[in-house]
Amino acid sequence: DTGVSQDPRHKITKRGQNVTFRCDPISEHNRLYWYRQTLGQGPEFLTYFQNEAQLEKSRLLSDRFSAERPKGSFSTLEIQRTEQGDSAMYLCASHANPPDRGQEADTQYFGPGTRLTVL
Amino acid sequence: AQTVTQSQPEMSVQEAETVTLSCTYDTSESNYYLFWYKQPPSRQMILVIRQEAYKQQNATENRFSVNFQKAAKSFSLKISDSQLGDTAMYFCAFMRANYGGATNKLIFGTGTLLAVQP
Repeated sequence: DTGVSQDPRHKITKRGQNVTFRCDPISEHNRLYWYRQTLGQGPEFLTYFQNEAQLEKSRLLSDRFSAERPKGSFSTLEIQRTEQGDSAMYLCASHANPPDRGQEADTQYFGPGTRLTVL
Repeated sequence: AQTVTQSQPEMSVQEAETVTLSCTYDTSESNYYLFWYKQPPSRQMILVIRQEAYKQQNATENRFSVNFQKAAKSFSLKISDSQLGDTAMYFCAFMRANYGGATNKLIFGTGTLLAVQP
């Protein structure tokens, strides 16, 4: 396993611009999660995919946010018309159910995150 | 709704000593998991230890162990023989057990910043 990867690691943008982040989960993990973490806080759930289906979205995910997971592999999170309040670390996590190759059932493995700064 | 509370924003421990981080949670679920995750400065979140609620035996992973008190809804983490590399933010997290396609989102506490002093 190469682990969960995220791209870019850092993004600085001006207010009003659109940004897109990518997450590549551990291969063959069918479940993928996006979380947002602001400074000094624990991560908060944003949305969840099982394969290509988006099964839950948090109320934190405003209309300006959209996420996709085409073909059930990588996922993208897009934020339109960014606001300063969107500045945060965006984390992606994946897990397999049933468990995959020695990994424990229902344990989520996190990527390094994308740190977004909106000026 | 589930909540997770970590009442210690910061803690400090001397190298080689033992420290305990506290976590309490609230849920009406009967089947769930509890986790401790570690987030070193500017590095990614990694799993430290996990506990299944149906197991009475406390989980142990090398120097890390938990004290799981289900009735009290308490889940503390003990780190023995603390090392400089243990310096990190530690998050306690709750997840209900999986049923079909139901979301297994993690509910995190606000974290405890642990500093291991040489």
